[in-house]
Amino acid sequence: AQTVTQSQPEMSVQEAETVTLSCTYDTSESNYYLFWYKQPPSRQMILVIRQEAYKQQNATENRFSVNFQKAAKSFSLKISDSQLGDTAMYFCAFMKPLGYQKVTFGTGTKLQVIP
Amino acid sequence: DTEVTQTPKHLVMGMTNKKSLKCEQHMGHRAMYWYKQKAKKPPELMFVYSYEKLSINESVPSRFSPECPNSSLLNLHLHALQPEDSALYLCASSQLGDRGEKLFFGSGTQLSVL
Repeated sequence: AQTVTQSQPEMSVQEAETVTLSCTYDTSESNYYLFWYKQPPSRQMILVIRQEAYKQQNATENRFSVNFQKAAKSFSLKISDSQLGDTAMYFCAFMKPLGYQKVTFGTGTKLQVIP
Repeated sequence: DTEVTQTPKHLVMGMTNKKSLKCEQHMGHRAMYWYKQKAKKPPELMFVYSYEKLSINESVPSRFSPECPNSSLLNLHLHALQPEDSALYLCASSQLGDRGEKLFFGSGTQLSVL
């Protein structure tokens, strides 16, 4: 079974600054995918970024980027130029594709962006 | 249309009531999911349907009964719930395949059991 650990229950960052959220996972699988999902106060889960485990290149999406260290089983999220709208719960997620997509979520990090 | 629509948004029910949650998507996704999320916790998988057939039941009590009448609709029938079943119920859909397809989530139904 896979486990996903987010060791930072809460974090805060000043608007326009950079913040990094940590995530580690444990798996014996070779083919898997990693995601960061954001859940704002509206409670809808929104995909932030996706990483394919077989790709060494770190994924980037505008202000969001990851540091994927496969050997260390680490998958951190960096948010640059933080905005008030980034305030949300962030979940790291491990996905094993089985036809359907079986996802294991981490415990979450609550991020507060301070004006 | 890249939306997953859930109704109702809020539901209050007594322990003897029968109610249903509904989920709809028109993205042609053939996998649909029900998740349960307690406050300040991650979503927990309940059920997975692929090609309108139940693929996973994560040992969910029988008072929760899922149904997938067609490829666009997913229901969750509720009967004789307990107060501890109060939670946010999230529906999601995705493509089938082995390429790590993203999940599209609805906004959820906030359920309160009195």
